[in-house]
Amino acid sequence: EVQLVESGGGLIQPGGSLRLSCAASGFSVSSNYMSWVRQAPGKGLEWVSAVYSGGSTYYVDSVKGRFTISRDNSKNTLNLQMNSLRVEDTAVYYCAKGIRVGNSGYYFDYWGQGTVVTVSS
Amino acid sequence: SYELTQPPSVSVSPGQTASITCSGDKLGSKFAFWYQQKPGQSPVLVIYQDSKRPSGIPERFSGSNSGNTATLTISGTQAMDEAEYYCQAWDSNTYVFGTGTEVTVL
Repeated sequence: EVQLVESGGGLIQPGGSLRLSCAASGFSVSSNYMSWVRQAPGKGLEWVSAVYSGGSTYYVDSVKGRFTISRDNSKNTLNLQMNSLRVEDTAVYYCAKGIRVGNSGYYFDYWGQGTVVTVSS
Repeated sequence: SYELTQPPSVSVSPGQTASITCSGDKLGSKFAFWYQQKPGQSPVLVIYQDSKRPSGIPERFSGSNSGNTATLTISGTQAMDEAEYYCQAWDSNTYVFGTGTEVTVL
């Protein structure tokens, strides 16, 4: 059974750093397309970052240079290092497992329960 | 950057059909995916590759995609279908979500 369990969220001041982790079971993180997706309070879903099975990484423009996605293959976990946090980064952060459809589509078949990040002074 | 637009809300009576649209430039040339999200819960995939249903998703959920518009249709809508629905596409190594549609079953 596929499971994704996020951790690491909390209250942090603007400019601070936080590291999120997503423990996966039932599949290998290193062999799949993994992403972080966030949802600000009362808002819609926003994709944040992805790491592909080959190791390539991608980010939404608003977090480039501040967030770093990585994998720990030995622990089968996905991580998101978030630096220089801003009030607008406040959101529930979901870990999601992706599926590739040929060369023209990727989607998410499993989601974690989310971890809350609050950036406030 | 690529954008997907959905109507903010759709109301439907129990047993009737709800249609949710998702508009984007040449969306029909891409695959569209749909997620259901109930309050306080994580999103759940209900349609993939335009019109396919994952295991466990009721047959009343169907999808189509052509031109600039993808459509999620819920036939014989039930009270349990009340939720927020998001479309999603993939463009230039980014996942794009629609603006979301709140479905209310009156």
